[in-house]
Amino acid sequence: DIQMTQSPSSLSASVGDRVTITCRASQSISSFLTWYQQKPGKVPKLLIYGASSLQSGVPSRFSGSGSGTDFTLTISSLQPEDFASYYCQQSYSTPYTFGQGTKLQIK
Amino acid sequence: EVQLLESGGGLIQPGGSLRLSCAVSGFTFKNYAMGWVRQAPGRGLEWVAAISGSGGRTYYADSVKGRFTISRDNSRNTLYLQMNSLRAEDTALYYCAKDRALIIVASFDYWGQGIQVTVSS
Repeated sequence: DIQMTQSPSSLSASVGDRVTITCRASQSISSFLTWYQQKPGKVPKLLIYGASSLQSGVPSRFSGSGSGTDFTLTISSLQPEDFASYYCQQSYSTPYTFGQGTKLQIK
Repeated sequence: EVQLLESGGGLIQPGGSLRLSCAVSGFTFKNYAMGWVRQAPGRGLEWVAAISGSGGRTYYADSVKGRFTISRDNSRNTLYLQMNSLRAEDTALYYCAKDRALIIVASFDYWGQGIQVTVSS
């Protein structure tokens, strides 16, 4: 199975900050990488698919990059509504594993 | 408007069975793969199973393989998850999710609100 490791597991930042979350796959997954956002008590929301394609309706301050084993999710200027947990997921091969999540908190 | 509504969860004893259903509307169901994702209390997301739009291809997490069966009825716009030999570690909120394509790409753009499954004696 492909292991997905996110770093950091938690992060404190301020409104307006630029934030980067990293996701590393245990083997190459090409660009089969999706990012989700989940707020407490809410349903996950698709942000980025194919490693770098922005889902319709998602603000342009979110961007994704990477291929192979190393990926990043960047929020260019944090907004109050961005404080949430973020998950990466690989869809290169089954089982389609998620990372353990990154909790983004207000500093 | 895309809607996914799960049902069939509840409290079940270890070793028991449950069938989850997910009724969908707002899109052409047969044209999209679907999946189930679960989340144990206070934990992260865990992919459980996926099925192609036609139902001809199915995939499972190792933790549920041989115990869970994903299926769909395209005439009823409904997705199912038959769960047998349930264990305490299957306790979670189960989400039904719509994939982005007919084939399984496991990139879910719409999610149900989730249905709680609790396995306990």
